[in-house]
Amino acid sequence: DTGVSQNPRHKITKRGQNVTFRCDPISEHNRLYWYRQTLGQGPEFLTYFQNEAQLEKSRLLSDRFSAERPKGSFSTLEIQRTEQGDSAMYLCASSPRPGTPGKLSTDTQYFGPGTRLTVL
Amino acid sequence: KQEVTQIPAALSVPEGENLVLNCSFTDSAIYNLQWFRQDPGKGLTSLLLIQSSQREQTSGRLNASLDKSSGRSTLYIAASQPGDSATYLCAVVHTSGTYKYIFGTGTRLKVLA
Repeated sequence: DTGVSQNPRHKITKRGQNVTFRCDPISEHNRLYWYRQTLGQGPEFLTYFQNEAQLEKSRLLSDRFSAERPKGSFSTLEIQRTEQGDSAMYLCASSPRPGTPGKLSTDTQYFGPGTRLTVL
Repeated sequence: KQEVTQIPAALSVPEGENLVLNCSFTDSAIYNLQWFRQDPGKGLTSLLLIQSSQREQTSGRLNASLDKSSGRSTLYIAASQPGDSATYLCAVVHTSGTYKYIFGTGTRLKVLA
């Protein structure tokens, strides 16, 4: 397994612009999570996918945020009309289906390196 | 609503010291608790996972304990090294729902050579 990858690693944008981040989970992981982490804080849950279905969204996910996971593989997180308060690290994590055989635990989430967003 | 607190927020120790990081949570209905390490500007690396039915887990110089009834976990690091310098986060997973993590705010550890 190659691990969770996220692109881009860094994004600088001007207030009001739209941005899109991509997450590629570990192959065949059916569960995918997005978290947001601001400076000095722990990550906060944003949304969860099981396969292609978005099953939970946090109240943190305002109308300007949308996430998709077409075909249950990679996921995208889009922020429209960015605000300075959106500046944060956006982390993606994936987890296998419970009972999946293999070396990786089904009870833990495997995190990507994150996308650092700076809104000027 | 589950709240997770970590104490201390920051810690600076000389190399070789044994140290304890604390994590407390308000709702004891947890599925598991996990300790992570985060290096500056990086993602999270899992250190230890404790299931709700377990009392402790050990990996090398690390030992994590769980007292679910009192809502507490500790991470013990033996013989600290400069390479241990990082932020340590604890996270709990509730017994129901989507298994999302609820994280504490972390303890920033600096081990001085």
